Amino acid sequence: NAGVTQTPKFRVLKTGQSMTLLCAQDMNHEYMYWYRQDPGMGLRLIHYSVGEGTTAKGEVPDGYNVSRLKKQNFLLGLESAAPSQTSVYFCASSSAEGISGNTIYFGEGSWLTVV
Amino acid sequence: GQNIDQPTEMTATEGAIVQINCTYQTSGFNGLFWYQQHAGEAPTFLSYNVLDGLEEKGRFSSFLSRSKGYSYLLLKELQMKDSASYLCAVPDGGATNKLIFGTGTLLAVQP
Repeated sequence: NAGVTQTPKFRVLKTGQSMTLLCAQDMNHEYMYWYRQDPGMGLRLIHYSVGEGTTAKGEVPDGYNVSRLKKQNFLLGLESAAPSQTSVYFCASSSAEGISGNTIYFGEGSWLTVV
Repeated sequence: GQNIDQPTEMTATEGAIVQINCTYQTSGFNGLFWYQQHAGEAPTFLSYNVLDGLEEKGRFSSFLSRSKGYSYLLLKELQMKDSASYLCAVPDGGATNKLIFGTGTLLAVQP
């Protein structure tokens, strides 16, 4: 009963390093999202995807890239990490059957620190 | 665009009732969500309101007034485990189900 799985769970990066966060879902969902959560800021949408091979920008896309090569995976990349990208990152997915209760499922989060 | 406001913090006593308010402004309304998030964990779904009125689910109830752009989450018979952040969220229009979240209300339940 995996649902949405994120890896890695914790990572410390040096400024300028690159890394990729992987999100995998096993619910055959069309839509996938990457959020970041910072104290006092709530959850903010970085990028999202409405299907395999598609991506779109959210509220705070700068400094991030994404790819959705397979329906079940949504990758979030940081090409040159900055301290401002220290945050908790949540992946989520949902079906394409229209908005209704409990259609959005979150992963357990990835804690990223950039020093 | 969307704008969501909710109090930053609240404190309540075990066994009591607490009401967490949320006001919102949206360009097109398609329902309102409440999520609960314990420290260090992912948000979990609590409720979804699309019509006016009160919906009750055990100790938790959620109310919506579309004309006032207002919702509240009511927690009864508070327990220590209810200490968490409560997030109000609305869909960002279109058909992609993406949610715009408020900053969350951190509820501390005291003995």
